Amino acid sequence: DVKVTQSSRYLVKRTGEKVFLECVQDMDHENMFWYRQDPGLGLRLIYFSYDVKMKEKGDIPEGYSVSREKKERFSLILESASTNQTSMYLCASRPGDGYSPLHFGNGTRLTVT
Amino acid sequence: GQNIDQPTEMTATEGAIVQINCTYQTSGFNGLFWYQQHAGEAPTFLSYNVLDGLEEKGRFSSFLSRSKGYSYLLLKELQMKDSASYLCAVLNDYKLSFGAGTTVTVRA
Repeated sequence: DVKVTQSSRYLVKRTGEKVFLECVQDMDHENMFWYRQDPGLGLRLIYFSYDVKMKEKGDIPEGYSVSREKKERFSLILESASTNQTSMYLCASRPGDGYSPLHFGNGTRLTVT
Repeated sequence: GQNIDQPTEMTATEGAIVQINCTYQTSGFNGLFWYQQHAGEAPTFLSYNVLDGLEEKGRFSSFLSRSKGYSYLLLKELQMKDSASYLCAVLNDYKLSFGAGTTVTVRA
């Protein structure tokens, strides 16, 4: 089974802090994604990476950046956390064929105070 | 841009059938996925349609009409464990965009 592991299940950070959310997958998938999920808004794509060192902006990239130095790891960075970034963050991966389903991690519930 | 619409909530009785509709207007289309998400858990894959027609997988079926920008997920013989959110998602190149999800509540 594909395993997508997010480093933290719950995080509490202060406004202005730099925050790193880590995601690791063990199935040699080319594509990796970061979403945030908010009630009534569903899953919104922040950034994705179709290969190592490659990244593309999703629908809501403002206030975020990403890093993909190794194939198995995709990091989401909040340069200066704000209260409107309080959310559930979900990482996902899939092979590069474009038609395989996404496999999700269990999510990180981030609270910015 | 992407516009993916699905109803917010649906309620049905155990043993019944429920149909969750999804309409989409997207800049490109490479297929449509349905996911199930139980409260507090990650979404899990249910089905994928790329051609028009019906795909059946046990109690769950998914239908696609590309010309109408329309899909539905059919859940038959509902069980209490089917109470969850159901997410419609459209694939465009590498990017998977989701609707807001439909919360299905199954009552005894």
